[in-house]
Amino acid sequence: AQSVTQLGSHVSVSEGALVLLRCNYSSSVPPYLFWYVQYPNQGLQLLLKYTSAATLVKGINGFEAEFKKSETSFHLTKPSAHMSDAAEYFCAVSVSNDYKLSFGAGTTVTVRA
Amino acid sequence: EAGVAQSPRYKIIEKRQSVAFWCNPISGHATLYWYQQILGQGPKLLIQFQNNGVVDDSQLPKDRFSAERLKGVDSTLKIQPAKLEDSAVYLCASSDGGESSYNEQFFGPGTRLTVL
Repeated sequence: AQSVTQLGSHVSVSEGALVLLRCNYSSSVPPYLFWYVQYPNQGLQLLLKYTSAATLVKGINGFEAEFKKSETSFHLTKPSAHMSDAAEYFCAVSVSNDYKLSFGAGTTVTVRA
Repeated sequence: EAGVAQSPRYKIIEKRQSVAFWCNPISGHATLYWYQQILGQGPKLLIQFQNNGVVDDSQLPKDRFSAERLKGVDSTLKIQPAKLEDSAVYLCASSDGGESSYNEQFFGPGTRLTVL
């Protein structure tokens, strides 16, 4: 079975600073990896996904993530944080035989003015 | 296109009462999911439907939870009787189930349940 671990349940950054959210996965077969964002009182919105094409994936709102097989990681970054990036972020993994999503516990991002 | 619709958005009940949630997926999406998201945790899959058939309900507490998807479109999730630990956000998601989309799931806004 596949799983993900998100390192750090809470990240606080200054506006304009780098945002780095860490995700490590475990899977016995090649994974598909996803980052979702959840704003307060809303559902999950897909930021980006890795599906075995380019290892550097660009998503919405200026976010990107890099798949590193050797490190079993899929960290999410954004060069310059904006106040609107304050939200909860979830990393998720699935595999091609059933495409079921397994989510990490989430990382809450706060942005300081 | 319209997104996944859920109702109600909020519900407060006493323990041992029953409650039902409704979900209408994106038009044409064959696959429908119900997730439970407890505060501070990631969503956990409760049940997956393909059209009107159940694909996976291994994580559904069947002694108190039930779900149906009549006619393969909208779905209801019921809890009877509710326990304090059922307090959570219940998310509905849908996908077209196609391999070309890697089964990308689209989520509704969720129903926040509080059991007192």
